[in-house]
Amino acid sequence: QKEVEQNSGPLSVPEGAIASLNCTYSDRGSQSFFWYRQYSGKSPELIMFIYSNGDKEDGRFTAQLNKASQYVSLLIRDSQPSDSATYLCAVRSSNTGKLIFGQGTTLQVKP
Amino acid sequence: GAGVSQSPSNKVTEKGKDVELRCDPISGHTALYWYRQSLGQGLEFLIYFQGNSAPDKSGLPSDRFSAERTGGSVSTLTIQRTQQEDSAVYLCASSSSGKPSYNEQFFGPGTRLTVL
Repeated sequence: QKEVEQNSGPLSVPEGAIASLNCTYSDRGSQSFFWYRQYSGKSPELIMFIYSNGDKEDGRFTAQLNKASQYVSLLIRDSQPSDSATYLCAVRSSNTGKLIFGQGTTLQVKP
Repeated sequence: GAGVSQSPSNKVTEKGKDVELRCDPISGHTALYWYRQSLGQGLEFLIYFQGNSAPDKSGLPSDRFSAERTGGSVSTLTIQRTQQEDSAVYLCASSSSGKPSYNEQFFGPGTRLTVL
């Protein structure tokens, strides 16, 4: 079992729709969780982080965390073609500061 | 303010040569991380520095890989006797001190290494 799992996609949504990206993790001791966006040929860009159960909203983005289910999600409201990218879920190791990344989900927003 | 910078942006080398990759973190960030990203492998951790010390080197794939950090700032990752499987994008990230549980890491643009 991989430590951080994501559906590789592609996830295709129409412009204006809600995109839902999901991630599961195996280390129950993990305390903080990150979503990065990566455009093709570019480095990862931090979108959001969350460490408490529940929802955290920032503009069109909402991160959701359920530690009991070991599940993190990212919702993107009013999706735009510019949101088309690979979204990486990352979990901070409970022992050190390193991030463990999922393989990423490719999102395609069609005009 | 200035973000994380890395040099060179691209490096092409021949198998067996040594290479040095450089990372300049965000000013004031005490934690520095090296990752690499290759096709089919995703983004994998290599080494973590807190100040000039490296409490976690668990991701270095072999003894051909080493890294150092001086003055609590710039870091260099050295790969000796490069192999074709070392071809990847090498990414550096930094984060500030403070409560370590959820310090965000900010990535540099990366160095694309190609070993012929």
